[in-house]
Amino acid sequence: NAGVTQTPKFQVLKTGQSMTLQCAQDMNHNSMYWYRQDPGMGLRLIYYSASEGTTDKGEVPNGYNVSRLNKREFSLRLESAAPSQTSVYFCASRPTGAYEQYFGPGTRLTVT
Amino acid sequence: AQKITQTQPGMFVQEKEAVTLDCTYDTSDQSYGLFWYKQPSSGEMIFLIYQGSYDEQNATEGRYSLNFQKARKSANLVISASQLGDSAMYFCAMRYSLDTGRRALTFGSGTRLQVQP
Repeated sequence: NAGVTQTPKFQVLKTGQSMTLQCAQDMNHNSMYWYRQDPGMGLRLIYYSASEGTTDKGEVPNGYNVSRLNKREFSLRLESAAPSQTSVYFCASRPTGAYEQYFGPGTRLTVT
Repeated sequence: AQKITQTQPGMFVQEKEAVTLDCTYDTSDQSYGLFWYKQPSSGEMIFLIYQGSYDEQNATEGRYSLNFQKARKSANLVISASQLGDSAMYFCAMRYSLDTGRRALTFGSGTRLQVQP
């Protein structure tokens, strides 16, 4: 039982490049989330998926797209990376009926 | 608007002593929940404790307790008998309703706790 896994762990992009951050969970959770954490700040919600095929925008969705491929996987795509998207990205999942979210280890992204 | 405020950027505590980390919140929801997460230097987010807005008793989990004062809109974390391994960033978070009616979390800016031997 690996919990929530994220790939890659680290990534450096040039401005304008695109990439997809991958997230998978093996706990059969319905809800999945993407957050970003900037230095000295708490996590901010980018997108949320309550179930396969549904997504909702969070606090800071601009510049990102998401895809809930199936129950296990929830990917985050940056179409044209900007330096302002330099951050640590966390994926999380939550079982139905529970309040606690389980977090992945994070992806540290730098955009130059 | 939903907001979590943590006014202590950093705190020091001696090993074996108790420490209180402050958290105040603002929400328009009638039903909400408050969480504390720990983030060690390795970066992962570790769930510590949860308090529902309608829970009458303060939540406790081992050495962690949440001092919930609804009228004051505060949800302070108390760590008893601090250990060196408690040194980390601590985030207060609140469950709130998105426009769609679904629930999400909003986080405070965190408090860095350092436990001294």
